[in-house]
Amino acid sequence: QSALTQPASVSGSPGQSITISCTGTNNDIGNYDFVSWHQQRPGKAPELIIFGVSDRPSGVSTRFSGSKSGNTASLSISGLQAEDEADYYCSSYRTGDPPYLFGTGTKVTVL
Amino acid sequence: QVQLQESGPGLVQPSETLSLTCSVSRGSFMSYYWSWIRQPPGKGLEWLGHVFYSGTSNYNSYLGGRLTISLDTSNKQFSLRLTSVTAADTAIYYCARFRGRDYYFDSWGPGILVTVSS
Repeated sequence: QSALTQPASVSGSPGQSITISCTGTNNDIGNYDFVSWHQQRPGKAPELIIFGVSDRPSGVSTRFSGSKSGNTASLSISGLQAEDEADYYCSSYRTGDPPYLFGTGTKVTVL
Repeated sequence: QVQLQESGPGLVQPSETLSLTCSVSRGSFMSYYWSWIRQPPGKGLEWLGHVFYSGTSNYNSYLGGRLTISLDTSNKQFSLRLTSVTAADTAIYYCARFRGRDYYFDSWGPGILVTVSS
């Protein structure tokens, strides 16, 4: 199964900023602005935190921001807090089958 | 705020058929895609397929034609049917609402763990 590539883990101290990358191809991230990010806390379902590359759903903290350059999307978390400790998944629409891909997931640890 | 809830058996015998239902409440059933996604224990997310409220469906070909997703609009439910299951199909199965114009999942059910074992 294909998947977008994310680092397995990223860590930071409280108050710091971190960035998670999500690398795809010209068939997905590079060609469409349909990148989204989900946060998944242990034992819970994923929750949407970014859609359309950089838009936040109502109620999501402004500490979360998204961007894209070429075939790589990024999620930044500023002012890192203990509650941000979770797994993060990117996803994108793509040309081909399947038409929708998730990333490999990144575990964020707050030191 | 729409709510989704999966239901079905937690244990399925190898080679049998896995059937799950997702009930949708507090929101419109119209104009959305209704999706199934799974997550093997300790692993990442995998899109399985979705059905549009009109009944049109699309599946991940990786499943080799074993998957069917159907709608019951009168009861605001949609269902997953996965045939010939093996241990590799053991996973948490999530139902989710998908916004087809902007391509993202905006609401998820809590998930249901399905184990394939004899």
